[in-house]
Amino acid sequence: DAKTTQPPSMDCAEGRAANLPCNHSTISGNEYVYWYRQIHSQGPQYIIHGLKNNETNEMASLIITEDRKSSTLILPHATLRDTAVYYCIVRVALNQGGKLIFGQGTELSVKP
Amino acid sequence: GAGVSQSPRYKVAKRGQDVALRCDPISGHVSLFWYQQALGQGPEFLTYFQNEAQLDKSGLPSDRFFAERPEGSVSTLKIQRTQQEDSAVYLCASSFIDRGNTGELFFGEGSRLTVL
Repeated sequence: DAKTTQPPSMDCAEGRAANLPCNHSTISGNEYVYWYRQIHSQGPQYIIHGLKNNETNEMASLIITEDRKSSTLILPHATLRDTAVYYCIVRVALNQGGKLIFGQGTELSVKP
Repeated sequence: GAGVSQSPRYKVAKRGQDVALRCDPISGHVSLFWYQQALGQGPEFLTYFQNEAQLDKSGLPSDRFFAERPEGSVSTLKIQRTQQEDSAVYLCASSFIDRGNTGELFFGEGSRLTVL
């Protein structure tokens, strides 16, 4: 079973920030938080991951609470092409047997 | 191309037929995963290879499903005596284990199997 909880759907206006929440209250100390997205009819695409600290890359920012029980993915200026299902996943490192276990994700609709 | 390549992209099989789905991972990627995605659902883990070794096959739904990666590169997922419930998109992903072993996964576009 997935260890994360996400809202099933969200809307966002084009050009505004999209803030996607994720709860992972049972996360272990050695588990990372990963975000992937899946645009219709494509394979999932890696966005970002983190362990404890907030992370930022060219696609998004990841804010992890101090207790690590929840996180937020931020798309700073959403575009229509960001419409996708966003998956929040927790897993241990690959060499510890970690594998991505997907839940239902959040279907983000970016509207003009 | 430089990405994960899967073939065929679309496969229609009659119930009871055997099918084979191929995955060409990114060159040099050590880890390879297979996932099954039913319509409207998230991908579900099937099996994992590190080089040629199948380290985890806990997600394979039945003994009709078999995966191999004999030379540690190309992988084949075989489904014997296909059933209608096998209809899904089968996704392959590969990863280069980096120093942090966090291993971002790169996914192919999937093979869509329809069993009639």
